[in-house]
Amino acid sequence: AQSVTQLDSQVPVFEEAPVELRCNYSSSVSVYLFWYVQYPNQGLQLLLKYLSGSTLVKGINGFEAEFNKSQTSFHLRKPSVHISDTAEYFCAVIPTGANNLFFGTGTRLTVIP
Amino acid sequence: DTEVTQTPKHLVMGMTNKKSLKCEQHMGHRAMYWYKQKAKKPPELMFVYSYEKLSINESVPSRFSPECPNSSLLNLHLHALQPEDSALYLCASSQDPGPNFYEQYFGPGTRLTVT
Repeated sequence: AQSVTQLDSQVPVFEEAPVELRCNYSSSVSVYLFWYVQYPNQGLQLLLKYLSGSTLVKGINGFEAEFNKSQTSFHLRKPSVHISDTAEYFCAVIPTGANNLFFGTGTRLTVIP
Repeated sequence: DTEVTQTPKHLVMGMTNKKSLKCEQHMGHRAMYWYKQKAKKPPELMFVYSYEKLSINESVPSRFSPECPNSSLLNLHLHALQPEDSALYLCASSQDPGPNFYEQYFGPGTRLTVT
């Protein structure tokens, strides 16, 4: 069985400040890891993914994430946020051998002018 | 083209109506998915089609009936829905599962309201 935990349901941050959105997972098998962003009234857009290789993954819109196997974490970071980054962010995993995504409960990032 | 399209964008239906949601992709993907997303919640998997065959049904009530007429199209037929079925319905597609292809591309969703 697997689960994804996003401890912070809401993260307010001032514009141009750095942000970290936390994601921890548990699984009995290896997983592939993803971060998706959902803007209001829209579908999900893939920000970045970790399949294998370098544990530091760079994505779109200046986001990056680091896979930490020992801590089973995949935290998302951005050094300087913009108003346009206000959205819901979902961490997700796919266990190896499966083909369906398991989502965390989401983190609402609000960028304050 | 990495686009998944969904129609309609919004749908309001009564509990006795029959309606259908449509999803289309032209990326040559052979796996397609339906998710349901309630407000302020993560998407929940409903169905998975792999090579046009239903491979996963997450115990979805029979008032939701999926159909995959060809590799590019995925439909969700709705009948006798309940108000609690109101949600955003998301379609996604991915290359058929294998060691290198796990990325799912999502459509913009259909916002369904059942009155």
